[in-house]
Amino acid sequence: LAKTTQPISMDSYEGQEVNITCSHNNIATNDYITWYQQFPSQGPRFIIQGYKTKVTNEVASLFIPADRKSSTLSLPRVSLSDTAVYYCLVGETGGGNKLTFGTGTQLKVEL
Amino acid sequence: GAVVSQHPSWVICKSGTSVKIECRSLDFQATTMFWYRQFPKQSLMLMATSNEGSKATYEQGVEKDKFLINHASLTLSTLTVTSAHPEDSSFYICSARRDQGANIEAFFGQGTRLTVV
Repeated sequence: LAKTTQPISMDSYEGQEVNITCSHNNIATNDYITWYQQFPSQGPRFIIQGYKTKVTNEVASLFIPADRKSSTLSLPRVSLSDTAVYYCLVGETGGGNKLTFGTGTQLKVEL
Repeated sequence: GAVVSQHPSWVICKSGTSVKIECRSLDFQATTMFWYRQFPKQSLMLMATSNEGSKATYEQGVEKDKFLINHASLTLSTLTVTSAHPEDSSFYICSARRDQGANIEAFFGQGTRLTVV
């Protein structure tokens, strides 16, 4: 399983765009990149998943460069309710196999 | 998205007793479920992979006789913490794998807070 490296924490203000970058230098050909969000005392919640280039949904965008050794989760116009831990995971077949969680990034959004 | 439900959401038990946690996939069948443990301000740690109709696969360092896993149906896996001790107090989270052809996703339960006193 590819190991991931993320910043431990990030701070932002309401209305700003937040970009969280994840490094996964030894990503395999069959690996997908999946991001989850976790609030305190809750299970992780799926945000977005991608394989290459750019993926966008109603919540976020995921940018993946050609070499796929990193990825960036972009949260547009964050609000206080986006304060959470964000995990980047890399695994086969869309992330549905055994998922190994890294340290995650604690995002704190302030007024 | 699909729904995975855990029960109970929280439980307090006395040291030496056993506690069972249920994980149900409510609107899909899951041949594979995963159990995680999370200590305060730490990441999720995979404990075991639960396979319907067969024995669970435990991660290194996880005692299979202490954390009993049963996956008796395609919608239910249970984790039993036997002879619980205060150091077993943690947040336990399950996830269920949904296979839809080439699309495989993992959905997480809301977690169970176990406190052993």
